[in-house]
Amino acid sequence: RKEVEQDPGPFNVPEGATVAFNCTYSNSASQSFFWYRQDCRKEPKLLMSVYSSGNEDGRFTAQLNRASQYISLLIRDSKLSDSATYLCVVSTGGSQGNLIFGKGTKLSVKP
Amino acid sequence: DGGITQSPKYLFRKEGQNVTLSCEQNLNHDAMYWYRQDPGQGLRLIYYSQIVNDFQKGDIAEGYSVSREKKESFPLTVTSAQKNPTAFYLCASSIGVGSYNEQFFGPGTRLTVL
Repeated sequence: RKEVEQDPGPFNVPEGATVAFNCTYSNSASQSFFWYRQDCRKEPKLLMSVYSSGNEDGRFTAQLNRASQYISLLIRDSKLSDSATYLCVVSTGGSQGNLIFGKGTKLSVKP
Repeated sequence: DGGITQSPKYLFRKEGQNVTLSCEQNLNHDAMYWYRQDPGQGLRLIYYSQIVNDFQKGDIAEGYSVSREKKESFPLTVTSAQKNPTAFYLCASSIGVGSYNEQFFGPGTRLTVL
């Protein structure tokens, strides 16, 4: 089983739609979780951190289910500017503190 | 204006040459990281550093070297020993090393071997 798995998409949705991405992780000791957004040929940018069961930031809601080992990202009222690749990222802790990145889910919001 | 800068943005290298990628941050972060990203792949960790004059190998360190002589700077050298160096290289930093420390990325360097 891969460490962090995401549906690569693409998800093609109309403006104003609600879209959800799921991500599963294999290491039950994982401690913290992040969603990054990456535009084409650009660096990843932190979208949300998920430390407990979930959190919300405007149109974006992230949820964590430790029992089932998955994280979700919900985007409401999609905008054209939301078109990007969304990376699910997991940290297993320890002295390294390095992150395990999923390959990303591509979202395309159409007018 | 705090942030992470990487240079050059694009780099072309002939086979057999070593090249050095620059990464500078003015966020006063202790930890710095180097990742590489290949098309359709997740980011993979090359090296990381928790503090000045100390660094550790990541998952794919072979063919790469780093130094951390200053807190602000963490250059990466891609040596001729790296078999497939063409990739997008990303530098990141965080306040410290640990699960809850969010990492912030520079704009990246695209390296192409001719």
